[in-house]
Amino acid sequence: KQEVTQIPAALSVPEGENLVLNCSFTDSAIYNLQWFRQDPGKGLTSLLLIQSSQREQTSGRLNASLDKSSGRSTLYIAASQPGDSATYLCAVKGKDSSYKLIFGSGTRLLVRP
Amino acid sequence: EPEVTQTPSHQVTQMGQEVILRCVPISNHLYFYWYRQILGQKVEFLVSFYNNEISEKSEIFDDQFSVERPDGSNFTLKIRSTKLEDSAMYFCASLGGQRNGELFFGEGSRLTVL
Repeated sequence: KQEVTQIPAALSVPEGENLVLNCSFTDSAIYNLQWFRQDPGKGLTSLLLIQSSQREQTSGRLNASLDKSSGRSTLYIAASQPGDSATYLCAVKGKDSSYKLIFGSGTRLLVRP
Repeated sequence: EPEVTQTPSHQVTQMGQEVILRCVPISNHLYFYWYRQILGQKVEFLVSFYNNEISEKSEIFDDQFSVERPDGSNFTLKIRSTKLEDSAMYFCASLGGQRNGELFFGEGSRLTVL
């Protein structure tokens, strides 16, 4: 059964720092991995989607990498801003003909001005 | 930019009452989902729907739950007789033509069962 873990659970950094959020999954047989942002009480905003055949994806100041064999993904945020403060979730879609995403519990990020 | 819309944003109901949560997925998307997030917990899969039938459902999705696509645009989740533990944020999501594509979520419907 696929398990997704995110470390750290919470992170507080000063504005301008580069930071890395970690996601690990137990079953490497995945179709893809998706990173989301969730603001308090709000929905999930898709940030990046990495297919199982890809090593990384970039969007603006965000870069996500995928190492399927070791069951890891990282989300790199460059030059963090207070507006980046949110919870970041990763989710994987399995290769077992499943239609569902399995989510981690998220990393709650606070960027201090 | 196309988006998934959900109504209501917040519903308060009494235990035992029926609730219908509504979603309008992105037009021309083919796969539809409901997920839920109990406060402080992980987002959990409930059900997926494709070609007018359920493709997959989780253990949570018991006989009290049902989904329907009554017309070409709406996708609904019905909880027949709500329980206290059904209190959660319910998210609708949709996916385009490829099953390994990007999932787009709505803003959620917060359900509070008293």
